[in-house]
Amino acid sequence: ELKVEQNPLFLSMQEGKNYTIYCNYSTTSDRLYWYRQDPGKSLESLFVLLSNGAVKQEGRLMASLDTKARLSTLHITAAVHDLSATYFCAVVPNTGTASKLTFGTGTRLQVTL
Amino acid sequence: DTGVSQNPRHKITKRGQNVTFRCDPISEHNRLYWYRQTLGQGPEFLTYFQNEAQLEKSRLLSDRFSAERPKGSFSTLEIQRTEQGDSAMYLCASSSTVLIKGARLSQFFGPGTRLTVL
Repeated sequence: ELKVEQNPLFLSMQEGKNYTIYCNYSTTSDRLYWYRQDPGKSLESLFVLLSNGAVKQEGRLMASLDTKARLSTLHITAAVHDLSATYFCAVVPNTGTASKLTFGTGTRLQVTL
Repeated sequence: DTGVSQNPRHKITKRGQNVTFRCDPISEHNRLYWYRQTLGQGPEFLTYFQNEAQLEKSRLLSDRFSAERPKGSFSTLEIQRTEQGDSAMYLCASSSTVLIKGARLSQFFGPGTRLTVL
């Protein structure tokens, strides 16, 4: 059974600081997604990473994928309050259902002034 | 492009009642997914359709749950004889198997239907 683990589960950080969220998964996969969810809201797609070494950046967020280590990171640069949300990674394994996403437990990010 | 829509947004029902939710995917998307999310957890896959064919169902989907996508467009998820454990956010997502605006393989989520079973 595919397992996707994120750490930390909760992150409180000050504005202007940098931090990294980690996503580990237990099976071979070349497709990894990052989503953002605000309280009571649905999921917003942030990044799709489709190959080993893929790196994508949008604003203060940068995501990378190491398929050999089965690890993805979401790096936050100079955090601002607007980034406060829960961040999920999700994996599609190379075998099995073509597009079934298995989500991590989520990382709740709180950016304080 | 209005995105994925879901109705109703909230549903409160009594245990034992039947409920039905609707999802309208992004119009050019041929895949449609249902997920369930409980408080503090990530979404869990329930089932998915490619066009009108239901291609996989999770073990989470008991016999009380049924989903349809009769014409390959909108989908419905019905829960019969609801139980308190069914209380959750039910999320619908859609995607395309072809490249559209550089976003092939992304799943786009709707706003969800929050179900409360009393």
